[in-house]
Amino acid sequence: DAKTTQPPSMDCAEGRAANLPCNHSTISGNEYVYWYRQIHSQGPQYIIHGLKNNETNEMASLIITEDRKSSTLILPHATLRDTAVYYCIVRVEGTSGSRLTFGEGTQLTVNP
Amino acid sequence: DTEVTQTPKHLVMGMTNKKSLKCEQHMGHRAMYWYKQKAKKPPELMFVYSYEKLSINESVPSRFSPECPNSSLLNLHLHALQPEDSALYLCASSQEKTQYFGPGTRLLVL
Repeated sequence: DAKTTQPPSMDCAEGRAANLPCNHSTISGNEYVYWYRQIHSQGPQYIIHGLKNNETNEMASLIITEDRKSSTLILPHATLRDTAVYYCIVRVEGTSGSRLTFGEGTQLTVNP
Repeated sequence: DTEVTQTPKHLVMGMTNKKSLKCEQHMGHRAMYWYKQKAKKPPELMFVYSYEKLSINESVPSRFSPECPNSSLLNLHLHALQPEDSALYLCASSQEKTQYFGPGTRLLVL
């Protein structure tokens, strides 16, 4: 599995954009980048995923560099409810279900 | 609808007890997963079921016994657990590539 590196913690002011970086320099050509978040004591929540192109949905935007060695998750207008641990995961497509290997993630704290 | 449900939400058991955790999804997903998460650590994969057959066992001790009675249900049978097995147990399901997680069962072994 390609490893990911994320900063352990970040702070963001409420209403501002939160930009969460992730390095995945050993990613293979057919591996996707996934982002999940986990609010305290809840199950992880899927946010977004991408392969090469930038992606946007109702929760966030995902920017992947052209060499695919890093990506950034953007929460355009962070709220207090976005305080959570954010996991960047490179997914290996196995033959029996898709294995997710979680790293330590980034603790995002949104401040009022 | 991307809901995965887990019961119970909380469980306290002694080391000699036998208990079961249950997970259910009605999204038609054909892969289901058990993860274990210790406090302040990321989730770790335990088991994967694909089309109701066990496809991955991450060298989990035999005191944890998974079961997939049908495509919507996934159980985790617990027997003779140790205090260090206390953790949040997460269930997930997937059809294509995206896994959807349940809220978890918080287990305390005394």
